Amino acid sequence: NAGVTQTPKFQVLKTGQSMTLQCAQDMNHEYMSWYRQDPGMGLRLIHYSVGAGITDQGEVPNGYNVSRSTTEDFPLRLLSAAPSQTSVYFCASSAHPNNQPQHFGDGTRLSIL
Amino acid sequence: ILNVEQSPQSLHVQEGDSTNFTCSFPSSNFYALHWYRWETAKSPEALFVMTLNGDEKKKGRISATLNTKEGYSYLYIKGSQPEDSATYLCALPGAGSYQLTFGKGTKLSVIP
Repeated sequence: NAGVTQTPKFQVLKTGQSMTLQCAQDMNHEYMSWYRQDPGMGLRLIHYSVGAGITDQGEVPNGYNVSRSTTEDFPLRLLSAAPSQTSVYFCASSAHPNNQPQHFGDGTRLSIL
Repeated sequence: ILNVEQSPQSLHVQEGDSTNFTCSFPSSNFYALHWYRWETAKSPEALFVMTLNGDEKKKGRISATLNTKEGYSYLYIKGSQPEDSATYLCALPGAGSYQLTFGKGTKLSVIP
């Protein structure tokens, strides 16, 4: 049972570099989301999607882009990495965003130097 | 952004003790409340999703209650074990929103 798969697990970038964090789910969930986790801040929503072709901003969207071309995949793009984006990133999916549980990936630990 | 508060921030209990902690939220426009368990170096794992006032959910030694009129939910752990050590998160969607807002969690440490 794959569930939600995130790649890579770890990444170090230099300021100004770009990269894409990958997220894939095999549960046919319509709802997918990206969170970042920072000490003392809890989980904060970056972007979310309620289905293929539909995305929207969460609490902290600046510096990130997303797209949802298929139900399975929801990549998160950092356009020009900044040290403030050093964090642990979690992707999650659910059958419904509100009354169904979120299934989380294992996380990507990202360091921006 | 919904105001979701959890207390206490951290808790140390002895093995075998029972414990509980609180998630507080605005009582207006309630839709659902989620509880998650988050072990260190792992990802959050869903415990319960609660939608009705007075709801009680149970999973093994862990149970939760919900009071939507006064805006709180309690999570109880009976006879805590070291493997219960984790951060427990609650989360709620905003009114008419698909955005889930998480509290900062209660970190439970169970001392053998």
